[in-house]
Amino acid sequence: EPEVTQTPSHQVTQMGQEVILRCVPISNHLYFYWYRQILGQKVEFLVSFYNNEISEKSEIFDDQFSVERPDGSNFTLKIRSTKLEDSAMYFCASSSQGEAEKLFFGSGTQLSVL
Amino acid sequence: SQQGEEDPQALSIQEGENATMNCSYKTSINNLQWYRQNSGRGLVHLILIRSNEREKHSGRLRVTLDTSKKSSSLLITASRAADTASYFCATSSYGQNFVFGPGTRLSVLP
Repeated sequence: EPEVTQTPSHQVTQMGQEVILRCVPISNHLYFYWYRQILGQKVEFLVSFYNNEISEKSEIFDDQFSVERPDGSNFTLKIRSTKLEDSAMYFCASSSQGEAEKLFFGSGTQLSVL
Repeated sequence: SQQGEEDPQALSIQEGENATMNCSYKTSINNLQWYRQNSGRGLVHLILIRSNEREKHSGRLRVTLDTSKKSSSLLITASRAADTASYFCATSSYGQNFVFGPGTRLSVLP
């Protein structure tokens, strides 16, 4: 079964450093998302992306965050200058044109900012 | 906010028993979904119910939706130890993205 893959599974970085989290959505999907989950807490929406542009973003997704689809397969989330409170599990998700409501999630990248 | 809120926060039952989790939300929705998350893993879509539907079944799962009360319930029948996970409801409205609740942690004891 096709799946969303995320790399790396774990990322440790120093406060102030830039990180790029990578995702390969399911190949025929057109809608892409980033969510994050602080340990034991709710899953929070960050951003959605469609037709090569951001379609919606949350208050969390400030100027330190950016997303990119550099080629036909990858979807990346960049945090320019990480803060301690950015430590969380970051999930990428995608959905298809025909079934846009059903999200397929990757296994996540655990980001630890020290 | 249209955020869903699951209830209870945690639920512990014996294998073979039924598990019921509830979700309440605040604004009108287009659809409501339930997802499952095993510890440290991504969310897996379980079932979607649209605002004009009242009940849906999928295997051992039964979901109800009461739009007048702005609530939904997820029933897992004949639970198994492998059902141990966190369960989230997610709501969406036209033009808005999915909003997840804080989840219910279900423990099924063998």
